[in-house]
Amino acid sequence: EPEVTQTPSHQVTQMGQEVILRCVPISNHLYFYWYRQILGQKVEFLVSFYNNEISEKSEIFDDQFSVERPDGSNFTLKIRSTKLEDSAMYFCASMKDSDTQYFGPGTRLTVL
Amino acid sequence: AQTVTQSQPEMSVQEAETVTLSCTYDTSESNYYLFWYKQPPSRQMILVIRQEAYKQQNATENRFSVNFQKAAKSFSLKISDSQLGDTAMYFCAFAKQPFSQNFVFGPGTRLSVLP
Repeated sequence: EPEVTQTPSHQVTQMGQEVILRCVPISNHLYFYWYRQILGQKVEFLVSFYNNEISEKSEIFDDQFSVERPDGSNFTLKIRSTKLEDSAMYFCASMKDSDTQYFGPGTRLTVL
Repeated sequence: AQTVTQSQPEMSVQEAETVTLSCTYDTSESNYYLFWYKQPPSRQMILVIRQEAYKQQNATENRFSVNFQKAAKSFSLKISDSQLGDTAMYFCAFAKQPFSQNFVFGPGTRLSVLP
């Protein structure tokens, strides 16, 4: 069964550094999402992406964040200058139609 | 704005017993989608069951079923014949649009199935 994959599984970075989190959505899916989950808290929506542009973003998704679908298969989340409070689990999800979102296994980001 | 509430932070159930997890939500939308996702210790979010608000019939998926009360804005999950592998965080989620579907998640219920 097709799956959403994410790399790396764990990323450790120094505060102020840029990180790129990578996701490979399910191949025939059209809608892509990033969510984050700070340890012990609920999952929060960051951004949705469709037709090569952002369709919706939350208050969390400020100028430090960007998303890109560079090559038709990868979907990336970039954090330009990481802060301690960016430490969280980041989940990518994809959806084919008006169907269900399928989540990847997540990338644990630790900012030191 | 939509909100999702799960009033039970933690629950436990004996193996083979039945447990019900509660979820309530607040919305002014008339059509929407509701989901239960499971997050085991591996942290991967796995879809358990989904319900479309315009459907009267409660969704069922093997041992998992929901009690959807639209007027009360309630969406509880019943797990029958609980198994050790059901131990996980369970998140209730709401999506208001059929195509963008950015989810609003509840805070989760940690379910422990005891041998």
